[in-house]
Amino acid sequence: QVQLVQSGAEVKKPGASVKVSCKASGYTFTSYGISWVRQAPGQGLEWMGWISAYNGNTNYAQKLQGRVTMTTDTSTSTAYMELRSLRSDDTAVYYCARVYDSRYWYFDLWGRGTLVTVSS
Amino acid sequence: EIVMTQSPATLSVSPGERATLSCRASQSVSSNLAWYQQKPGQAPRLLIYGASTRATGIPARFSGSGSGTEFTLTISSLQSEDFAVYYCQQYNNWPPVTFGGGTKVEIK
Repeated sequence: QVQLVQSGAEVKKPGASVKVSCKASGYTFTSYGISWVRQAPGQGLEWMGWISAYNGNTNYAQKLQGRVTMTTDTSTSTAYMELRSLRSDDTAVYYCARVYDSRYWYFDLWGRGTLVTVSS
Repeated sequence: EIVMTQSPATLSVSPGERATLSCRASQSVSSNLAWYQQKPGQAPRLLIYGASTRATGIPARFSGSGSGTEFTLTISSLQSEDFAVYYCQQYNNWPPVTFGGGTKVEIK
């Protein structure tokens, strides 16, 4: 079954870091990129960045530069997103999504999301 | 960065009626536009890519049209399972890809 399975919900204090995982199955992991998209409560979708599962190249949203790191482990077909120096406005559901291909960055497969709550 | 604007924010439609959703780009995105459906508590689901091509398994009542800066998603006869929030996304000029703010389709 083609799917992306994400790690469970997290509660973090301001200033802490969080690392969310996204395990792919049912397809060749290195043939696609992975993007991360977040959604604050009651809000729309915000693209965070992209990583090539083939060679690890990354591209991050400008507003998150310096706070976010995306990595992959091809041995386990897992993508990771680490966000540091968490603030209350980072509270959101974080989705991983498969990028259709390197030219056409739309998302044809999504994980179910990971709720990250930042609260003191 | 390309700004995507969706209208209306909320659309009230009766089951069986036609729904027309709009998405406008701040500059041309050619046909590099996708539509997603999101139901409460669920991840978005790809409906349309290339402005008009239905994704695998998407019913024929969903259709997309447009190019350049003006796009439309039409649901020909709304079913109960179609009440959801719909987002457009451009992938012509990236990074970043950008999403519209969404249109909520609710039961009238």
